[in-house]
Amino acid sequence: QVQMVESGGGVVQPGRSLRLSCAASGFRFSDYAVHWVRQAPGKGLEWVAAISYNGRHTYYVDSVKGRFTISRDNSKTTLYLQMNTLRSDDTAVFYCAREAGGIYSSGDLDVWGQGTTVIV
Amino acid sequence: QLVLTQSPSASASLGASVILTCTLTSGHRKFAIAWHQHQPGKGPRYLMRVNSDGSQNKGDGIPDRFSGSGSGAEYYLTISSLQSEDEADYYCQTWGTGIGVFGGGTRLTVL
Repeated sequence: QVQMVESGGGVVQPGRSLRLSCAASGFRFSDYAVHWVRQAPGKGLEWVAAISYNGRHTYYVDSVKGRFTISRDNSKTTLYLQMNTLRSDDTAVFYCAREAGGIYSSGDLDVWGQGTTVIV
Repeated sequence: QLVLTQSPSASASLGASVILTCTLTSGHRKFAIAWHQHQPGKGPRYLMRVNSDGSQNKGDGIPDRFSGSGSGAEYYLTISSLQSEDEADYYCQTWGTGIGVFGGGTRLTVL
């Protein structure tokens, strides 16, 4: 069964760091680009970051550039989001998601996790 | 700038049909989009991809009641035979060079 499970959320003070993890299973993780998406309280979904299937390419929304780092360990089928210098406006539920298409990435996100909550 | 625009809310009666709209900025009319359903307390659920020619690719297990269409700047999600569990937020999503984009979402109320 294709699944993605986030962990690592919690309550943290402004300026501190937190690392989120996303464990993937049920598919060949190393073939897929993966993303982080967040939803602040009362707001819509916001794309945060993405990483290519081989980890060579990373992309970020402007508001987290220089503070967040997306990475992956294909041997552990796990995606990470290192969040530094956290701010109150980073408070959100963070979701990991798989990009459809395998190595021929198609852009749409076809598998989602249940989310982990970060409160700053 | 790649922007997706959605109406904030929509409503329709149980058993009826509803059409949700997603509009792409004028400079990105060849882009495909995806539709996602998001119910409170759950992770988003992928519904389908709609290509720029109007063809659709549904996610696994998505009922036939959900269909996508559109082309160019306008994309549509049609939900027919509305059920109470369809009450949710619906987002369109696309991907540009190095950036992902979501529309603001449409909150669907089933009356």
